[in-house]
Amino acid sequence: AQTVTQSQPEMSVQEAETVTLSCTYDTSENNYYLFWYKQPPSRQMILVIRQEAYKQQNATENRFSVNFQKAAKSFSLKISDSQLGDTAMYFCAFMKPRGGSNYKLTFGKGTLLTVNP
Amino acid sequence: GAVVSQHPSRVICKSGTSVKIECRSLDFQATTMFWYRQFPKQSLMLMATSNEGSKATYEQGVEKDKFLINHASLTLSTLTVTSAHPEDSSFYICSASGGPQSSYEQYFGPGTRLTVT
Repeated sequence: AQTVTQSQPEMSVQEAETVTLSCTYDTSENNYYLFWYKQPPSRQMILVIRQEAYKQQNATENRFSVNFQKAAKSFSLKISDSQLGDTAMYFCAFMKPRGGSNYKLTFGKGTLLTVNP
Repeated sequence: GAVVSQHPSRVICKSGTSVKIECRSLDFQATTMFWYRQFPKQSLMLMATSNEGSKATYEQGVEKDKFLINHASLTLSTLTVTSAHPEDSSFYICSASGGPQSSYEQYFGPGTRLTVT
């Protein structure tokens, strides 16, 4: 079974600064997907960024970028120019594609990020 | 696009009664829907996966007679908590895949807070 580990239960950063959230995973698969989701106080899950394992290039979405190290099974999220609205719980997630459409997500325990003014 | 709704957003019920939660994909046909449970300050735990017109697949440890899932159409799945007890109080989140971006990406509903008194 796949496991996802987020070793930082809580982190804080000053507004406008950069922060990196760590995530490691364990799998024997070669093809898979990795995601970072954000859950603000409203508790709505929001997709921040996705990475396909077959792509060597790190995914970026505006201020959010990942450092995907496939051999090390590491998938960290970097948030640049942090904003107050980035305050949320961040979950790293793994998905192994399987036959049909049953793509299940395995989540890490989450990192609570607080952006301070 | 790819909006998922849940109804109700919060519900309070008495111990021993049943409560139904609806999950709808508003602007796409969802080939698969997922139901998660989230306790305070914890991660999402997958309860079951359902495909339209077929029986749901439950994760280990989830009582299928307790948590009845019906996926009657490509836009609607329901979760019924039968004979609810206080320990069933939790935040329930659904997601749906098969949207416009890809067949595997999951789009999350806003969640339902269930309180059993």
